[in-house]
Amino acid sequence: AIQMTQSPSSLSASVGDRVTITCRASQDIRDDLGWYQQKPGKAPKFLIYAASSLQSGVPSRFSGSGSGTDFTLTISSLQPEDFATYYCLQDYDYPCTFGQGTKLEIK
Amino acid sequence: EVELVESGGGLVKPGGSLRLSCAASGFTFSSYRMNWVRQAPGKGLEWVSSISSSSTYIYYADSVKGRFTISRDNAKNSLYLQMNSLRAEDTAIYYCAKVHIEAAGALDIWGQGTMVTVSS
Repeated sequence: AIQMTQSPSSLSASVGDRVTITCRASQDIRDDLGWYQQKPGKAPKFLIYAASSLQSGVPSRFSGSGSGTDFTLTISSLQPEDFATYYCLQDYDYPCTFGQGTKLEIK
Repeated sequence: EVELVESGGGLVKPGGSLRLSCAASGFTFSSYRMNWVRQAPGKGLEWVSSISSSSTYIYYADSVKGRFTISRDNAKNSLYLQMNSLRAEDTAIYYCAKVHIEAAGALDIWGQGTMVTVSS
């Protein structure tokens, strides 16, 4: 199975900061990667697909990049509502696999 | 409104069975691949199973293969997960999720989840 390694596992930042979360695949997955945001007690929210395409309705401060094995999610200017846990997901091959998550906390 | 609503969760003893359902509305259910994803208490997301629009292609995580069966009824706009030989480690919130675009990491619609607790 393809392993997805996310880093960091946790991150403290302030409102207005620019933050980057990384996901590394154990093999080439082209751009078959999505990013999700999850808040406590809620279902995940879909943010980005095909590594860099922003889902409709998602604020433009979110962006994704990468292809092959290395991917990043960037939030250009953190807002209070962005503090949450973020996951990447690959579906290049089955079984699909999520990264272990990055918890973004307020500094 | 596009919506997925799971049901069927509950408390079950180890070795027992449970059948989860996911009712879809607001989109053409029969056109989309569907997935089950779970989350153990305090843990990350784990992909469980996937079924293509016409049920032709089905996949499972190794952790559930041989014990869980995914199915769908396009006439009823419903997705199912039959879970047998349940173990304590299957305790989790189970979400159904719709695939937006194949091979793009794109699960665009999620249900609210249903809790499954496996305990004696």
